Order: sequence, then structure tokens, then C-alpha cells
Amino acid sequence: GAVVSQHPSRVICKSGTSVKIECRSLDFQATTMFWYRQFPKQSLMLMATSNEGSKATYEQGVEKDKFLINHASLTLSTLTVTSAHPEDSSFYICSASTGPSGNTIYFGEGSWLTVV
Amino acid sequence: AQKVTQAQTEISVVEKEDVTLDCVYETRDTTYYLFWYKQPPSGELVFLIRRNSFDEQNEISGRYSWNFQKSTSSFNFTITASQVVDSAVYFCALSGGTSYGKLTFGQGTILTVHP
Repeated sequence: GAVVSQHPSRVICKSGTSVKIECRSLDFQATTMFWYRQFPKQSLMLMATSNEGSKATYEQGVEKDKFLINHASLTLSTLTVTSAHPEDSSFYICSASTGPSGNTIYFGEGSWLTVV
Repeated sequence: AQKVTQAQTEISVVEKEDVTLDCVYETRDTTYYLFWYKQPPSGELVFLIRRNSFDEQNEISGRYSWNFQKSTSSFNFTITASQVVDSAVYFCALSGGTSYGKLTFGQGTILTVHP
């Protein structure tokens, strides 16, 4: 079945540096992918919609200059957390689907980001 | 705007008990999709079920069953004869038909099954 892969699964970075997280659809083309953030003991909140070949659409309150999203191909979307701070430490997870006719919405494995 | 409410923050049961997780949703879309996901401590989201708005049939899959009622905007999830391995956080989520894939999640219910 369709699979979405996310990398890295865990990353630790120093405050002030940038970190990139990749989300790949392995056996289907995804014109749209979604990025969510989950703080400890909280729910998943949509950060942005990643559109292949165009700019991402960010949810209200999400800083587009801090969370850079690039969807350069039909199988890859990247989320770059720029100038990371400890408050950016969170679980980031991406999703993609083959549309309503498909079975479901597929999630990557998620990435645990710790900023020290 | 869409909204999903899981009123039960935490539920604790003893193994073999039945447990029902409640989910109430709000949407203005006439076509929409409801989901349940399981999230173990490792973090990944395990897909359990998808139900579309024009299919109100209840579903049973092994020990799991779902009750979808449009009249009350509810999509409840029941685990029969719970097991310790069912311990996890369970999320109910909603995707509108016009923006399929964009999910609104409920707050999640932490289920702990004690031996």
C-alpha cells in the first residue's frame, strides 16, 4: 500500500541553527502534503499545506519565515525550521493522500525535534 | 470552521473491560470524512478507520467497532474486551470534502488498560 516516509526520526540541534525534515511519498505522487506539529501531551495541529510547484499555505499563527516548506517534486516535501529555539522542540509529522478515492490519509513516522 | 471534540481526556480500564471513546464533530461541509487514529508512545499514527459522510453503516473489525450517527454528529469508537496493548492515545479527526487530506484533530483520549 501507499507509504509516506519521514526523515530524520529524531534530531537534536543547537539553538540558532536550522534543521530540515523530509517527507517522501514512496509509491504514489502527492501534489499536496500536510505538516503537523504536536507538543507533548497535546493534539496535532496543522501547520501548513505543502503544494507541489507552488508556495505553501500556512495556518494562522505559523511563521512562514521560520518554518520553510519546499515541495519541489511530486514525492518530496521538506520542512526547514530556521533559527531554531528550544520552544520549537516538538514532534513534527507529515501526511499525504491519494485523494478521497484512496483508502486513507497516510502519515509519516514523525520527527522528534529537540533544540538545546 | 471544523471542530472535533473528544470530551474524555483520559480513560482507565481493567483488561477485558469494554470501553467507548466518544467523538463529536462540527462541519459545514456536506461531504466529509471521519477518521480514528491510534498513537502509541513511539509517536507514529496508526490508521484505524475512515468513514465518509454518506455512509452511516456501523463497522466492526475484530474487537473494534464504530458507531457513526449524523443526527448527533458523533463517531464513537468501542473496544471490546480491552487488552494492555490497546493502551495508547486515540485521536478522532475530520477532513472536509473540499480540502481532502487536511485534518482537524480532536484533543485525543489517553487510554490505559491495566492488567
